[in-house]
Amino acid sequence: GAGVSQSPRYKVAKRGQDVALRCDPISGHVSLFWYQQALGQGPEFLTYFQNEAQLDKSGLPSDRFFAERPEGSVSTLKIQRTQQEDSAVYLCASSFSFTGISYEQYFGPGTRLTVT
Amino acid sequence: AQSVAQPEDQVNVAEGNPLTVKCTYSVSGNPYLFWYVQYPNRGLQFLLKYITGDNLVKGSYGFEAEFNKSQTSFHLKKPSALVSDSALYFCAVRDGGSGNTPLVFGKGTRLSVIA
Repeated sequence: GAGVSQSPRYKVAKRGQDVALRCDPISGHVSLFWYQQALGQGPEFLTYFQNEAQLDKSGLPSDRFFAERPEGSVSTLKIQRTQQEDSAVYLCASSFSFTGISYEQYFGPGTRLTVT
Repeated sequence: AQSVAQPEDQVNVAEGNPLTVKCTYSVSGNPYLFWYVQYPNRGLQFLLKYITGDNLVKGSYGFEAEFNKSQTSFHLKKPSALVSDSALYFCAVRDGGSGNTPLVFGKGTRLSVIA
């Protein structure tokens, strides 16, 4: 079946612009995660949804970052007034498990955001 | 808080030789451990996981990993490396005893298999 898809794959934004990154999880996956991967680093957790509920947003770096999953499937990560330090690959992952604990997460290809 | 250390930024191995990619972890509760591989311009692909049970875990593409509780390690191994194994490998941990905690990743190890 189809895996996790993300769009756009590449995004160039001028500093100060707002961007929206989309994630389509695997059908039926309850849990959805967003990670940020800086160049040369491992992914770092941003936020987690279980269905439409955002259960953990402790990793969001500032109030310029906002995520939603209104119908419990597609999710959007929005970054307002982008800054150069926001340049990174944003990865979305989904998981079947209700609790998201022991089941592996399946990752999308990521969106590479470059802020100029 | 959880943490993962991958002490080697780069591992080079000749094709056909065994490979090991090292990972140590720190977690307050029960460790749930994962290995992922990342190819250029692609997302992370799941290789294997340890949740409980046998300390030797077998995964995709002939990879295996051994959970060692006393050494807090979860090294990734393969008996005979292929050139196509060249990629970036990430170890990750989750605290199984603390509810819905996110994955914590290491910085990654770049594996280069030389023909």
